[in-house]
Order: sequence, then C-alpha cells, then structure tokens
Amino acid sequence: AQSVTQLDSQVPVFEEAPVELRCNYSSSVSVYLFWYVQYPNQGLQLLLKYLSGSTLVKGINGFEAEFNKSQTSFHLRKPSVHISDTAEYFCAVSDPLGGSYIPTFGRGTSLIVHP
Amino acid sequence: NAGVTQTPKFRVLKTGQSMTLLCAQDMNHEYMYWYRQDPGMGLRLIHYSVGEGTTAKGEVPDGYNVSRLKKQNFLLGLESAAPSQTSVYFCASSYTGTGTPISYEQYFGPGTRLTVT
Repeated sequence: AQSVTQLDSQVPVFEEAPVELRCNYSSSVSVYLFWYVQYPNQGLQLLLKYLSGSTLVKGINGFEAEFNKSQTSFHLRKPSVHISDTAEYFCAVSDPLGGSYIPTFGRGTSLIVHP
Repeated sequence: NAGVTQTPKFRVLKTGQSMTLLCAQDMNHEYMYWYRQDPGMGLRLIHYSVGEGTTAKGEVPDGYNVSRLKKQNFLLGLESAAPSQTSVYFCASSYTGTGTPISYEQYFGPGTRLTVT
C-alpha cells in the first residue's frame, strides 16, 4: 500500500516570500499525484495533479509542483505567497496500475502567511 | 451544478444516539467516499462505494455503516455514537468516465461537524 509523508506539519512564512511544501511517497512504478487545498471551514479542492508527461505541473492560484521519480517526491511551490494562501495543504497519491485507485492522503501541512 | 452537498452541516449527539449523514452529488460520478478529519491525522477513509448498490470498508470502518441505494446519494450511519466519533466528516466523489487516463481526482463536500458528548 502507498504511504505519503508530508514532512512539515506547519510552515510559517511572510507575505510575498517564496514557499515550498514537501511531499514524499513510497515507491511505485507508476503513480498519480495530487495536491489539495483546504481553506478554513471548507472542504478540500484540487490545486494540481500529475498523471504523466511533463514533470513540472502548474495549478491554480500560482502554485506549481515538480514530480521527481528518483526521489519519490512531489513538492509544492509558490514564488510569492499572499495572506489568502493561508490554508491546509494535502498531498495525495494513487496507484491505479497497482490496483489502488483510491488516493492515500498525507497528514497535511498548515501554511500560515504572516503580513 | 451544486457539486457535492452534505446534510447536516453541524450536529451534536449524546453517547449512544444514532444518526445518518447524507451526501449527494449531481455530477453522475461512480465513486463516492466518506472520510473523517481529525487534528494531526489528515483524512482517513471510512467507507467507499464504486457504484450504486456497492460499498466497501476503508481504513477506519468500525462503528459506521453506509448505503448507496441511488447513484447520486451516499449515506453514512452511526448506530450508537461514541465520543471518539467526534470529528469533521467529509464526503467526496470521483469521476470514472471515458478516455484515458482516468485520474480519479476527488470532489469534496463542505463537511459535517459532529460532536458526541
């Protein structure tokens, strides 16, 4: 079964600074990777996904992530954060070719943007 | 489209009471899921369904039952609530459709905050 590790439970950062949220998953031949965002008191919504092709994936709100197969990582980045980016971010992985189409979620990283 | 809706938004139960949470989706998705979210634990899968009339256990199924009598609805039941079931419950659905690849990205409802005293 897949496992997902989000290395930081909380990331504080100042507004307009760059940020990286880290995600590592257990090894597999082929995986689908996702980042979801959860704003306070809301459900999760998809930020971006990697299925195949280019390893650099662009999502909504200026976020991007890079798939690194050799390091089994899918880190999320934004060059300049806003106060409105304060939220919980979840990394998820599914392994459809291995028969596991249901995603496994990491425990989440709380991004706190200070003015 | 309303997407995924959940009823109720908030509920307080006493230990031993029962209740049903309703999830509805209008996107014609085949797969539906129930998760619970607790601080520091992320999302944990309770039960899921791959189609009308089918259900399966997830990571933390004990104390919960589910039913999927109609494709658009997925019900989560607590027969005898316990304080350990205090949590925020999220329903999600995902698209299977046609064409490749099928990504199984999930669409989430707004959540139900349940407190068991």
